[in-house]
Amino acid sequence: DVKVTQSSRYLVKRTGEKVFLECVQDMDHENMFWYRQDPGLGLRLIYFSYDVKMKEKGDIPEGYSVSREKKERFSLILESASTNQTSMYLCASTLGLAEYNEQFFGPGTRLTVL
Amino acid sequence: GENVEQHPSTLSVQEGDSAVIKCTYSDSASNYFPWYKQELGKGPQLIIDIRSNVGEKKDQRIAVTLNKTAKHFSLHITETQPEDSAVYFCAASREAGTALIFGKGTTLSVSS
Repeated sequence: DVKVTQSSRYLVKRTGEKVFLECVQDMDHENMFWYRQDPGLGLRLIYFSYDVKMKEKGDIPEGYSVSREKKERFSLILESASTNQTSMYLCASTLGLAEYNEQFFGPGTRLTVL
Repeated sequence: GENVEQHPSTLSVQEGDSAVIKCTYSDSASNYFPWYKQELGKGPQLIIDIRSNVGEKKDQRIAVTLNKTAKHFSLHITETQPEDSAVYFCAASREAGTALIFGKGTTLSVSS
């Protein structure tokens, strides 16, 4: 079974703190994604990566950065957390081949910024 | 950019009834359309997907239809059961395995 794990289920941080959200997948997937989920807005793409050390901006990258130093790990960084970044953050991965295209999601990290 | 609209936002049905959720997309180059189910406290999970060269796909009680000309696709759940209660998301992308653009979700409630 593919497993996508996220470092924390719940996180509380203060405004201005630097926040790291970690995501690890164990199936040698090429592609990894970070989404945020807000009520009434669905899932919105923040950043994605199709290879180690490669990153691409999604629809809402402002205030975020990412790091992919190893194939299995994709980190989302909030350089200076703000209250409007309070949200559920979901990581996903996929093999990247057309015939094996399912995106597998982690359980999510609910981040609260006070 | 690509936009995916999903309706309705909430849907309540009686057990045994059918449920239909509809989505429209804006990017005519989109050719991969998955549907995800998210249960409380969990990440979304793929339940069915369809590619642009197929008009309909079925998997037991679940079916998806695609109309490329009209740029819309729908999820059909027959003989609904209480365990079908969840949030359902449609999505679209130009190529399977690449970044998805999601609809805003439909909360389905099945009462017994």
